[in-house]
Amino acid sequence: VQLVQSGAEVKKPGASVNVSCKASGYTFNYYGVSWVRQAPGQGLEWMGWISASNGNTNYARKVQGRVTMTADASTSTAYMELRSLRFDDTAVYYCTRAIRGNWFAPWGQGTLVTVSS
Amino acid sequence: QSALTQPPSASGSPGQSVTISCTGTSSDVGGYNYVSWYQQHAGKAPKVMIYEVNKRPSGVPDRFSGSKSGNTASLTVSGLQAEDEADYYCLSYADNNNWVFGGGTKLTVL
Repeated sequence: VQLVQSGAEVKKPGASVNVSCKASGYTFNYYGVSWVRQAPGQGLEWMGWISASNGNTNYARKVQGRVTMTADASTSTAYMELRSLRFDDTAVYYCTRAIRGNWFAPWGQGTLVTVSS
Repeated sequence: QSALTQPPSASGSPGQSVTISCTGTSSDVGGYNYVSWYQQHAGKAPKVMIYEVNKRPSGVPDRFSGSKSGNTASLTVSGLQAEDEADYYCLSYADNNNWVFGGGTKLTVL
């Protein structure tokens, strides 16, 4: 079971970023995918969740309105788009498989998104 | 949703036991048996150590154990080893299909 994420990104404030997460080794649409981010030197922050079977989503209040999570079962790939980027969105973004809706394993390797002018 | 409360640091000598607490509310930790714990070494992705309060995934040493009482969950690491030195985070399912992490605890093996 493995999740492989897209590479690092550098974006300007106000831009959008799209991070992908390709799953392998399991039946993609049997599980959900959560996205978690970690600002430099800070803790983990849950951003949201998507059901890979029906596309239902739930987003953290902090990013609601700026984030969209999607899942493509044909390619076993989940995507996270974050819009209107701010300096404090600079973080490592992780995708992770949600098991029985309440615990996360495994995790992708992380994608560093840097917001800089 | 506010972050769960963890002590910023914990420490112990090799062979000793250390317990890390994670305090929430009745809307998260206290309301569901869906607390999990994650170990994160510097520069690495987190790894689950305990799920559903006290269950260990295959491959996790039985030195790691979890429990919960009321609104507080705990992770105990027995027989501390040098490789246990890492950051540890609790995670709880919360009302309305939300999840909330603790602020993290840096475990130092002296």
